[in-house]
Amino acid sequence: EDQVTQSPEALRLQEGESSSLNCSYTVSGLRGLFWYRQDPGKGPEFLFTLYSAGEEKEKERLKATLTKKESFLHITAPKPEDSATYLCAVHPTGGFKTIFGAGTRLFVKA
Amino acid sequence: GAVVSQHPSRVICKSGTSVKIECRSLDFQATTMFWYRQFPKQSLMLMATSNEGSKATYEQGVEKDKFLINHASLTLSTLTVTSAHPEDSSFYICSARGTRATDTQYFGPGTRLTVL
Repeated sequence: EDQVTQSPEALRLQEGESSSLNCSYTVSGLRGLFWYRQDPGKGPEFLFTLYSAGEEKEKERLKATLTKKESFLHITAPKPEDSATYLCAVHPTGGFKTIFGAGTRLFVKA
Repeated sequence: GAVVSQHPSRVICKSGTSVKIECRSLDFQATTMFWYRQFPKQSLMLMATSNEGSKATYEQGVEKDKFLINHASLTLSTLTVTSAHPEDSSFYICSARGTRATDTQYFGPGTRLTVL
């Protein structure tokens, strides 16, 4: 069964304290892996799409990497405005649906 | 990035009435649109998937007659909550994906429905 697991469920960081969020996935084949950011009361905001193992993408303080079994979202020197829920999702081959993880709630304290 | 709009952003209605939520892809053609429901501090729950011109595919446990989905064009999908009850109060979010299977899924800003 296709599955996406994110860890940790919640992460509390001090401003400037770099860390990583994990997304482990089990799919028969991968069309794409996506990272989103969601603020309370808003729809998810697209961050990155990764298609193959070894691929990396960066945007400001965020960097996403992909292996055959997991993806990491690295946050370098986070700021309080980076506080949000980060969602990982995979689109398996052979289907319409995208499978979402439960998310990691990130809190960055000034 | 691609833009998906939702209207209304917030709606309050009386129990027993119907509410329609619109989802539009503003700058791309969306072959597939998705409707999600989200409860406080929980992840997205997929309700249904719709392809333009076809009937929607509902997830297990989602009532087709209560949540009517129409995907009339490549830029518009609507969700109608019929005979709404307080338990239907929730945050509803739509998303749209382009014409290629590898296209990214973009989300609307969500609609907060409160049924009194």
